[in-house]
Amino acid sequence: EAQVTQNPRYLITVTGKKLTVTCSQNMNHEYMSWYRQDPGLGLRQIYYSMNVEVTDKGDVPEGYKVSRKEKRNFPLILESPSPNQTSLYFCASSFLAGRSYEQYFGPGTRLTVT
Amino acid sequence: SQQGEEDPQALSIQEGENATMNCSYKTSINNLQWYRQNSGRGLVHLILIRSNEREKHSGRLRVTLDTSKKSSSLLITASRAADTASYFCATAPAGGYNKLIFGAGTRLAVHP
Repeated sequence: EAQVTQNPRYLITVTGKKLTVTCSQNMNHEYMSWYRQDPGLGLRQIYYSMNVEVTDKGDVPEGYKVSRKEKRNFPLILESPSPNQTSLYFCASSFLAGRSYEQYFGPGTRLTVT
Repeated sequence: SQQGEEDPQALSIQEGENATMNCSYKTSINNLQWYRQNSGRGLVHLILIRSNEREKHSGRLRVTLDTSKKSSSLLITASRAADTASYFCATAPAGGYNKLIFGAGTRLAVHP
């Protein structure tokens, strides 16, 4: 089944404790992206990747890191999480690194930083 | 920056009625997409309309695009309780590769 998977689905952590949210897609998609969703703000892009070893900042990259060492995986790293990073996070992918394609979303990771 | 803005923020209707949601945006686009999100879950792509298209249909969905007014509408005909979800428009800005800008969404409740 074609899908985007994220782990963990729920995470409660404390300020400053490094964490990684994994994202994997099995559709051989070139493009992958991370978003955060906050009430009343819709989805905002954190980082995106056009292909292996090619990443770039989205609209809200501060406090996050990403890497793309393999085509299928695009982990999101919070090196020193803070309470303002409490949010619902989505990973997404699309077929080619072109602007015309629909994006496929993972199920989301609900992160709480205390 | 928030490109797409949906209107209304919330909509409550009865099963069988039509639901219309509107989206306005600010800059030139390559395409506009509509997504559905069931409570707290991942977004599901519904339909994509390119900037040179005016109307598109998919099952009970009808999307229109007016680039002169920088607006789009999503019509769901003969709504069902299963259509209860949040609906988001997302714009792909012209010249902005792989960038989708989402609005805050419309919450649709369809009552049996």
